[in-house]
Amino acid sequence: AQSVTQPDIHITVSEGASLELRCNYSYGATPYLFWYVQSPGQGLQLLLKYFSGDTLVQGIKGFEAEFKRSQSSFNLRKPSVHWSDAAEYFCAVVGNNNAGNMLTFGGGTRLMVKP
Amino acid sequence: DSGVTQTPKHLITATGQRVTLRCSPRSGDLSVYWYQQSLDQGLQFLIQYYNGEERAKGNILERFSAQQFPDLHSELNLSSLELGDSALYFCASSPRQGRGETQYFGPGTRLLVL
Repeated sequence: AQSVTQPDIHITVSEGASLELRCNYSYGATPYLFWYVQSPGQGLQLLLKYFSGDTLVQGIKGFEAEFKRSQSSFNLRKPSVHWSDAAEYFCAVVGNNNAGNMLTFGGGTRLMVKP
Repeated sequence: DSGVTQTPKHLITATGQRVTLRCSPRSGDLSVYWYQQSLDQGLQFLIQYYNGEERAKGNILERFSAQQFPDLHSELNLSSLELGDSALYFCASSPRQGRGETQYFGPGTRLLVL
């Protein structure tokens, strides 16, 4: 069965600083990977996804993520954080389609942005 | 706005009661998913329907059931409620059931069991 680990529960960065959120996955075959963001009181919004091709994926709101098979990682990055990026971020993986295409989520990383 | 609607937004009820959560998927989406978000369990998949048929089951309790109707809206029924069922319940939808498809999430229903 697939699993996702987000090692950092909380991260605080200053506005304008760069950001990297870590995500490690466990899955036997080629994973389908997603990053979602959840703002307070809101549902989840897709930032980006990867399942093939270029291992550097561009998403919305200036985010990007890099798939590294050798490290089983799919870290999310942003070069300059804005105060509006404060939210909770979830990495997720979709497993074998024979068993449905449900998302398996990591525990989330809560991002706080200092002015 | 994802296009997925969920009602009600908030629900407060007592232990032992039964509630129904409703989800309307995005126009044209055939797959509906239910997820539970709680402090101790995080975000967990409950169940998926595709075009009216159950497609996959996750960590869904026997006290919980769901269905997808011919108009593609879905309902999640929670019965014999316990304090631990207090959580945020999300519905998501996708066009079909491909692994790479984006799942669009609704705003959720916050359930509080007292």
